[in-house]
Amino acid sequence: NFILTQPHSVSESPGKTVTISCTRNTGSIASNYVQWYQQRPGTSPTSVIYEDSLRASGVPDRFSGSYDISSNSAYLTISGLKPEDEGDYFCQSYDSDTRVFGGGTKLTVL
Amino acid sequence: QVQLQESGPGLVKSSGTLSLTCTVSGASVRSGSDCWSWVRRPPGQGLEWMGFVYYTGTTKYNPSLKSRVTMSVDTSNNQFFLNLKSVTAADTAVYYCAREKYQNSRWFDTWGQGTLVTVSS
Repeated sequence: NFILTQPHSVSESPGKTVTISCTRNTGSIASNYVQWYQQRPGTSPTSVIYEDSLRASGVPDRFSGSYDISSNSAYLTISGLKPEDEGDYFCQSYDSDTRVFGGGTKLTVL
Repeated sequence: QVQLQESGPGLVKSSGTLSLTCTVSGASVRSGSDCWSWVRRPPGQGLEWMGFVYYTGTTKYNPSLKSRVTMSVDTSNNQFFLNLKSVTAADTAVYYCAREKYQNSRWFDTWGQGTLVTVSS
């Protein structure tokens, strides 16, 4: 099995851009797709990005996903930050036997 | 519109068995491209994948829970189930059922609202 590591928290001002990383400890980040989920307080998770870079239905194009083999990391970038973007963000990947979530990143929009 | 709804006791005694039902509407659990999953989030912690059940009854579980968890499906009533035995306080969490798309990737496109289960001593 592998582990996905995310920063515990990030913060940025409205209108700015923030990037959240998700680093895989063993095996290539490119070997299996990475997904991203948003969870606002008191609500269930919703999908934001799937298959590394595809936006889930209804997700604005301010959200984008990517990965970098050299850092073995996936990234979620949110541009034009809005107060409603606050919440916890989780990356997720898989292999044949398991599904793995990152520990989550708390995004604060100051 | 696909909807998933968890149901079951909100309080379970320590060493007992946690049992939850997920009722699916707007989609069929018989779908060949979907798996039916359980994910939990303990207070102050992150999401933990527990496992999934396919409409054939095939299951896959998180190795950390494998000895205690059982999942099953009822295609007639479009429901699937979670049983977790020998629970402790560490099993206190919000439990979510979710649909996992089993196509190019493996991702959770639809989630239930979640149900808080507290394990009491």
